[in-house]
Amino acid sequence: KNQVEQSPQSLIILEGKNCTLQCNYTVSPFSNLRWYKQDTGRGPVSLTIMTFSENTKSNGRYTATLDADTKQSSLHITASQLSDSASYICVVQKGTGGFKTIFGAGTRLFVKA
Amino acid sequence: DTAVSQTPKYLVTQMGNDKSIKCEQNLGHDTMYWYKQDSKKFLKIMFSYNNKELIINETVPNRFSPKSPDKAHLNLHINSLELGDSAVYFCASSRLAGELTDTQYFGPGTRLTVL
Repeated sequence: KNQVEQSPQSLIILEGKNCTLQCNYTVSPFSNLRWYKQDTGRGPVSLTIMTFSENTKSNGRYTATLDADTKQSSLHITASQLSDSASYICVVQKGTGGFKTIFGAGTRLFVKA
Repeated sequence: DTAVSQTPKYLVTQMGNDKSIKCEQNLGHDTMYWYKQDSKKFLKIMFSYNNKELIINETVPNRFSPKSPDKAHLNLHINSLELGDSAVYFCASSRLAGELTDTQYFGPGTRLTVL
C-alpha cells in the first residue's frame, strides 16, 4: 500500500533552535519527494523537490535529505524563527499510474519565543 | 498580485444544496488542480486539467463537477452537498502537464461547511 508517514505529529521548539522532521514512505515506484510548508489558513507552499538521484536539497534555512534505499526523508530547519510555525507536509509522487501523488498528514511545528 | 485565487474563502451551506467554488490563476500555467483537505489534514487530489482538458480524475463522487472555461480558470461545482463534503478545498496550478517535478502553486483554500 502506498503510504507516507510523518513524525513527529507535532513539535514545539524555542526560537533559534534547530529541528528535524521525518518522513517515511512506502510508495513504489518512486518519482519524487516534496516538502511543503502550510501556514494556518493558507495553501501549501513548496520548499523542496527531490528526485531519486538527489540526496540533499536546500532552500535557505531548510535542508531536505532523501535516502531512496531506506525510503526516508528528513527536513532540517536551522535557527528557527517564529514564522517557521506551520505544518510541514511530505509528499511522494509515484513514477507510474498517472503520477499518483500521496500526501503525508504533516508535522505541526510551533516555534516559541 | 495573487498568483492563485479562490472564492469564496468560507462557504457555509445546508445539506442538499448546490454550490460552486471558483479558482483563477494569473501565472500563465497550463495545468490546474483541485485538492480536498479533510479534518485530519490529509490532502487528496480530486481533479487535474491541462489546457481546459481533464487529465486526472480521482475517485470522486459525480456530484463534483469541475469546469474549465479557459486555462486560467478551474471552477468546482458540487451538487446535493453532504455532511462529508465539509473540508478545505484547495486549487493549485503548475506550468507543466500532470504532476511531474514541476512546482505547484496553491490557492488560499475554501473552507466548506455543510450543516
